[in-house]
Amino acid sequence: QKEVEQDPGPLSVPEGAIVSLNCTYSNSAFQYFMWYRQYSRKGPELLMYTYSSGNKEDGRFTAQVDKSSKYISLFIRDSQPSDSATYLCAMSEGNFGNEKLTFGTGTRLTIIP
Amino acid sequence: DAGVTQSPTHLIKTRGQHVTLRCSPISGHKSVSWYQQVLGQGPQFIFQYYEKEERGRGNFPDRFSARQFPNYSSELNVNALLLGDSALYLCASSWGDRAEAFFGQGTRLTVV
Repeated sequence: QKEVEQDPGPLSVPEGAIVSLNCTYSNSAFQYFMWYRQYSRKGPELLMYTYSSGNKEDGRFTAQVDKSSKYISLFIRDSQPSDSATYLCAMSEGNFGNEKLTFGTGTRLTIIP
Repeated sequence: DAGVTQSPTHLIKTRGQHVTLRCSPISGHKSVSWYQQVLGQGPQFIFQYYEKEERGRGNFPDRFSARQFPNYSSELNVNALLLGDSALYLCASSWGDRAEAFFGQGTRLTVV
């Protein structure tokens, strides 16, 4: 079993829809949670960074972490064609000087105009 | 402000050769990590360096090595290249006191 599970998709939604992306994990020591967006053949771009359980909102993006269920989500409101990309969840135990990130496989998202 | 810069962006090598990839972190960041991403998969952790010391190593063979210089830039070296080493190699930098990491555009390595 992988430490981090993420549905690879692909996921296609119409423009303007709310998108929900999710990851589950098995390592209870994870306490830092990130979402990255990766366009084809580019490096990952950090979208959201959260610590422990709770919600964080940034513009059209909302990240949720439920440590009791080992489940994290990213919501995208008013989705745009430019949101079409692969979305990667990443997690870390966050020990000082050793912040290894463990990634999901990524979900490929297409927003249909 | 300059982000994480990696060089070269692309290269093609022959099996058995050696390759060196380079990374310059964001100014002020003291930690550099290397990841390998094969097509259709998430990045896999290779190494982390903090203040020029190795702080973490992933499940990669000894053919992979790295170092960090006094200016916090870093090199990843891979010896005796195999076809399976073909991948996007990503460098990430962070302050070193938190997990928030920023990635470069990557180096796409093709081994033929």
